[in-house]
Amino acid sequence: NAGVTQTPKFRILKIGQSMTLQCTQDMNHNYMYWYRQDPGMGLKLIYYSVGAGITDKGEVPNGYNVSRSTTEDFPLRLELAAPSQTSVYFCASSYDLAGSADQYFGPGTRLLVL
Amino acid sequence: GQNIDQPTEMTATEGAIVQINCTYQTSGFNGLFWYQQHAGEAPTFLSYNVLDGLEEKGRFSSFLSRSKGYSYLLLKELQMKDSASYLCAVKDSNYQLIWGAGTKLIIKP
Repeated sequence: NAGVTQTPKFRILKIGQSMTLQCTQDMNHNYMYWYRQDPGMGLKLIYYSVGAGITDKGEVPNGYNVSRSTTEDFPLRLELAAPSQTSVYFCASSYDLAGSADQYFGPGTRLLVL
Repeated sequence: GQNIDQPTEMTATEGAIVQINCTYQTSGFNGLFWYQQHAGEAPTFLSYNVLDGLEEKGRFSSFLSRSKGYSYLLLKELQMKDSASYLCAVKDSNYQLIWGAGTKLIIKP
């Protein structure tokens, strides 16, 4: 049981390039999330999904896109990378949205945009 | 707006007790979480409070007062491995987690 896995671990992008951050979970969780974490700031929700085929915007969705074709996978797409997107990106999943359901996090992807 | 406040950094001695405070103002309340995050790693779940009072889990305890918008995480018998950031997060009326910036805890021998 690997939990939540993310690839790549680290990436350097040039301004204007695009990339996809991969996220997979093997816990059969319906709910999945993408966060970014900047130094000195709390985690910010980018997008989330309540099940295959259903996604919704979080607090900071601009410059990103997501898809959820299967329960397991929730990739995050960056189009036209900008220096402001330099951050650590975490994918997370949970079995429920409400109540005490905590979120399980992947190891993160460190992205540097130059 | 929604806001979670925690101290930026705290220092404590190995074997001692430390209390990390968290105050919140959110649109609705559906529970408060504490997570631990070691440097360069992912956050991991520590505790959940939805009713007022103290929840104890081994060396860690978490307290909640909903009327005061206040919680604390209490760590006893501190060990060097407890050096980490501690993140406070509240589930709002939309069941989304609103996160504090975290408290970096430094343990000295």
